[in-house]
Amino acid sequence: DAKTTQPNSMESNEEEPVHLPCNHSTISGTDYIHWYRQLPSQGPEYVIHGLTSNVNNRMASLAIAEDRKSSTLILHRATLRDAAVYYCILVNNAGKSTFGDGTTLTVKP
Amino acid sequence: DAGVTQSPTHLIKTRGQQVTLRCSPKSGHDTVSWYQQALGQGPQFIFQYYEEEERQRGNFPDRFSGHQFPNYSSELNVNALLLGDSALYLCASSFRVQGGFEAFFGQGTRLTVV
Repeated sequence: DAKTTQPNSMESNEEEPVHLPCNHSTISGTDYIHWYRQLPSQGPEYVIHGLTSNVNNRMASLAIAEDRKSSTLILHRATLRDAAVYYCILVNNAGKSTFGDGTTLTVKP
Repeated sequence: DAGVTQSPTHLIKTRGQQVTLRCSPKSGHDTVSWYQQALGQGPQFIFQYYEEEERQRGNFPDRFSGHQFPNYSSELNVNALLLGDSALYLCASSFRVQGGFEAFFGQGTRLTVV
């Protein structure tokens, strides 16, 4: 199964942009890149996903490298409510997903 | 819309016993996936159900089995419980099995095996 690698933790100041990196060098051509975030004692929450092109939605932007071996989740203006564990996962075309251990984002006021 | 609902929220079982966890998917979703999340780790994929059949399976022993009903709800069964099965069990639903669809997760069932 294709794996993802993320930094264990990152810090950001409130109101500033945050760039969360993810490496997935063994990604296959049909794997989608998904990002979810999880607050303590809650289930993961969908953030964004993409296949080849960069994606934007109301929560975030996803920048995918041209070779697809890495991607970056961009939170344009971090708020205290964005503090969570962020997971970058690969989902194959049959729906099987592989989670890593995620990045714990701390947002400082 | 109630979203994904799981029951029970908490459960304590004795080693060797059997447990059944339940999941109702978000309205309009036909695919259910189950995950095991140990403390401090990311969720691990157990299996996925679509059209009442197991479509994908992660690296879990046969003690873990499941079922999907015609109304798309699903059950996760674990036999011969081990202490190491203590974890948060998450259910996620989506529309179709392909990777291009977002998944919605429930709040999970916290299973403690003593």
